[in-house]
Amino acid sequence: NAGVTQTPKFQVLKTGQSMTLQCAQDMNHNSMYWYRQDPGMGLRLIYYSASEGTTDKGEVPNGYNVSRLNKREFSLRLESAAPSQTSVYFCASTVTGAYGYTFGSGTRLTVV
Amino acid sequence: QKEVEQNSGPLSVPEGAIASLNCTYSDRGSQSFFWYRQYSGKSPELIMSIYSNGDKEDGRFTAQLNKASQYVSLLIRDSQPSDSATYLCAVLWRVTGGFKTIFGAGTRLFVKA
Repeated sequence: NAGVTQTPKFQVLKTGQSMTLQCAQDMNHNSMYWYRQDPGMGLRLIYYSASEGTTDKGEVPNGYNVSRLNKREFSLRLESAAPSQTSVYFCASTVTGAYGYTFGSGTRLTVV
Repeated sequence: QKEVEQNSGPLSVPEGAIASLNCTYSDRGSQSFFWYRQYSGKSPELIMSIYSNGDKEDGRFTAQLNKASQYVSLLIRDSQPSDSATYLCAVLWRVTGGFKTIFGAGTRLFVKA
């Protein structure tokens, strides 16, 4: 049982570079989420997908885009990385948004 | 602006004691409440959920909810050093088209052997 799988686990980017964070879940969950976690600020929602075929902005969407590729996969793209995007990124999923989440292991991203 | 507030801690308790973690939230329409445990360098893990006023017990953990006071707490009985972690409170409410969850910044707990 893999749960929620995120790749990569670590990444260093230069300012202006682009990259895509991958997330896949094997629990047949409908809803998927991307959060960032910064010291002292808790988890902040970037984007979410309530169900396959839908995506919506969260609290801090600027500088990011997402794709819900199918029911299993939800990717997060940084088109032009900035130092302010240095953070730990977590993907999460749930059966429906009314329940608690299962989190992936996270991606530690540093933008220099 | 909906908010979830937690004391950042650290909260330090001796092994075997009861640890009490508290959380307040701003939206009276909130429907569901969750506690996550996050070890250093790891991802959050759901440990408790509570949906109605009162207490809910699961092993050494008890979640308490008081909607009138907009207050939710987590009690850990017989605290163990392995309970040392950051505990995140999360509050969910219904929005058009679905649900949204806001997380508190977390309380760091240290259990001294």
